[in-house]
Formats: sequence, structure tokens, C-alpha cells
Amino acid sequence: AQSVTQLDSQVPVFEEAPVELRCNYSSSVSVYLFWYVQYPNQGLQLLLKYLSGSTLVKGINGFEAEFNKSQTSFHLRKPSVHISDTAEYFCAVSLGGSNYKLTFGKGTLLTVNP
Amino acid sequence: DTAVSQTPKYLVTQMGNDKSIKCEQNLGHDTMYWYKQDSKKFLKIMFSYNNKELIINETVPNRFSPKSPDKAHLNLHINSLELGDSAVYFCASSASGGLVSGANVLTFGAGSRLTVL
Repeated sequence: AQSVTQLDSQVPVFEEAPVELRCNYSSSVSVYLFWYVQYPNQGLQLLLKYLSGSTLVKGINGFEAEFNKSQTSFHLRKPSVHISDTAEYFCAVSLGGSNYKLTFGKGTLLTVNP
Repeated sequence: DTAVSQTPKYLVTQMGNDKSIKCEQNLGHDTMYWYKQDSKKFLKIMFSYNNKELIINETVPNRFSPKSPDKAHLNLHINSLELGDSAVYFCASSASGGLVSGANVLTFGAGSRLTVL
């Protein structure tokens, strides 16, 4: 079975600083990886996804993530954050194919301070 | 138009009551899901339906019964509500047929916050 570990439950940063949110996964087979964002009192929105191909994937709002198979990681990065990036970020993994199950990490609360 | 809509957005009820949450998607997706988000923000899948057929049924009490009248709707009925059922319930949908068509990329509703007193 697949699992996801988000190493930081909270990440406070100052506006315009770079940020990295860490995600490690565990699976015995190939996986597909996702980052979702949840703004306060809202549903989840897809930021980016890795399905195959280039290991560096770019998403919305200036975020990007790099798939590292040897380290089983899929860390999310942004070179310069804004106040509006304050939200809960979830890493998720799926086995793909006919397996429709998306397994989420416990989330990382990113707080951007002025 | 809202892609995945859930009703009601808020639900406050007493222990022992029965309640339902409705979900509709207008994306033409044929797979729908219910996720539960607890007070610590942890998201866990409960059920998934593909073309009205149940394909994922996690370890969920029998008090929870999903119903999919058609592939655009997935409702969740909860009997004999307990304090521990208090959570935000998210409906989601996705296309099937392989990754090219966007399988496993979920579109979420805004959530239904259930509070059991």
C-alpha cells in the first residue's frame, strides 16, 4: 500500500522569501504524485501533478515540484511567496491505472507573514 | 457554474439523528468520491463510485451509506450520528480511462461541515 509523509506540519515564512514543503512517499510500485492546496474554509485545488516524463513539474501560482525516485520525494517549492499563499498544502499519491484511490499526507500549513 | 457542488455547506445536528449530504458534478466525470477531513485536517477516502458502481469502500461504519443514482450524483447518508462523525466531508470527481484523460486528478467540492452535538 502507498503512503505519504509530509515532514513539516507548519512552515512560517516571510513574504517574498523562498519556501520548500517536503513530501516523501512509500510504494513498492510506480506512483503518481500530486500537490493540492486548501485555502481557509475552501475545498482542495490541484497545484500540480507528476504522472511521467520530466521530473520537474510546474504548477499554478508559481509553484513547482521535483520528483526524485531515488529519494522517494516530491518536494514543493516556490522562489518567492506572497501573503495569499497562506494555506494548507497536501501531498498525495496514487497508484494510477484502475486504482482510483488517492492517499493524502497530513498536510503542511504554510503561513506567510508580512 | 460550480463544477462539484455539495449541499448543505453546514449541518448541525444532535447525536442519534440521521442526515444526508448531496453532491453533484457537471464535469462529465464518471468517478466520484467521498473524503472525510477530521479536526486535524487529515483527509481520508471513504467511498468511490465509478459509473454508479461502488469501487472503493474503506473501513467505514455501516451507518454510512453512499448512493449514486447516476454518475453525476453521489449522496452520503449517515444514520445514528455520533460525536466522532463531526468533520468536513468533501465530495470529489475525476475522469477515468487512463491518465491522458485525467484519471486520478480530483476536482473537489467546497465541503460540508457536519457538527454533531
